[in-house]
Amino acid sequence: AQSVTQLDSHVSVSEGTPVLLRCNYSSSYSPSLFWYVQHPNKGLQLLLKYTSAATLVKGINGFEAEFKKSETSFHLTKPSAHMSDAAEYFCVVTRGNTPLVFGKGTRLSVIA
Amino acid sequence: NAGVTQTPKFQVLKTGQSMTLQCAQDMNHNSMYWYRQDPGMGLRLIYYSASEGTTDKGEVPNGYNVSRLNKREFSLRLESAAPSQTSVYFCASSGSGGRNEKLFFGSGTQLSVL
Repeated sequence: AQSVTQLDSHVSVSEGTPVLLRCNYSSSYSPSLFWYVQHPNKGLQLLLKYTSAATLVKGINGFEAEFKKSETSFHLTKPSAHMSDAAEYFCVVTRGNTPLVFGKGTRLSVIA
Repeated sequence: NAGVTQTPKFQVLKTGQSMTLQCAQDMNHNSMYWYRQDPGMGLRLIYYSASEGTTDKGEVPNGYNVSRLNKREFSLRLESAAPSQTSVYFCASSGSGGRNEKLFFGSGTQLSVL
């Protein structure tokens, strides 16, 4: 069975500084990995996805993530945080046609 | 396009009452899902329907039933609500449920069971 572990439940950064949200995955075979974002009182929106093509994946709003098989990681980064990035972020894994498995989420706070 | 529409947005129930959460999508998607979101728990899959006419249990199906009424609609029913079912419920859909598929989410239903 596949699973994801989001290593931080809460991350706080200052506006204009880099963002790093960490995710480790467990999967028997080549997984597909996603990052979703949830702004307050909203549904979830896809940020980016990895599906065994390029290991560095670029998403919306300047976010990117790198798939590292040797480390079983799929960390989300952004060079410069913006106030509008404050939200809950979910790392997600799936394999084949199985339903997505969500991590427990990382709440990102951005301080002015 | 409306995307995925969930009703109601808010609901308060007493223990033992029943209710049905409605979900409809207008993207001609084959697969539909019901998740619940609890603080610190992420999203957990309750039931899903890979295609019209099929339903399968997810991670936390106890206390729930679902109906895939047609390709557009996927409802979630609580037969006898319990306080442990207080949560935010999200419906989602995807084209075929495959590994490359993006999920489209509704805006959620906030349910409180007293």
